[in-house]
Amino acid sequence: NAGVTQTPKFQVLKTGQSMTLQCAQDMNHEYMSWYRQDPGMGLRLIHYSVGAGITDQGEVPNGYNVSRSTTEDFPLRLLSAAPSQTSVYFCASSYHGQPNYGYTFGSGTRLTVV
Amino acid sequence: QQPVQSPQAVILREGEDAVINCSSSKALYSVHWYRQKHGEAPVFLMILLKGGEQKGHEKISASFNEKKQQSSLYLTASQLSYSGTYFCGTEWFRDDMRFGAGTRLTVKP
Repeated sequence: NAGVTQTPKFQVLKTGQSMTLQCAQDMNHEYMSWYRQDPGMGLRLIHYSVGAGITDQGEVPNGYNVSRSTTEDFPLRLLSAAPSQTSVYFCASSYHGQPNYGYTFGSGTRLTVV
Repeated sequence: QQPVQSPQAVILREGEDAVINCSSSKALYSVHWYRQKHGEAPVFLMILLKGGEQKGHEKISASFNEKKQQSSLYLTASQLSYSGTYFCGTEWFRDDMRFGAGTRLTVKP
């Protein structure tokens, strides 16, 4: 099925560990982004990309790295996990430069840092 | 800066109407509306571009007042399936979308 696939669905990390959250889409969307969702705070933009080789920071980028080597994949790396990074992470994709298209979200990764 | 949504929560009976508001302190390029059910991903409802347009989707419609930098989502004759959290997303320029804190809508029989 076409869409945005995120793995893993659940993850528990110890403080200081690193990991990569995977995101892949098969809709040939140029635009991809990562959001974190915390209770009462909605979705906050971490990083986004408008095409392979192009990334930019959102409003809460500290502690996270991204790269975009292909159109399909946009992994999010946690460099040294902290309890403050406990959250639900969503990847989203869309067409770039074309109005009237919304974002397609993945099913999310629930991350707990202990 | 994130847009401000109001109200934070609303409870309706089936068949009643509701309005959810979204306002921004900056001039907007576009406004998106999404609905998220508990434990699921947000689902796109509609997008409004600057120009003061109004759009409709089944019994759910929205308006965008560019001068006031505000958008409103209208849910008419609500159904049980409308329950969830509604988010507005605003773009000051393309690709940098910020979401409001959400409005939790509960529709009761």
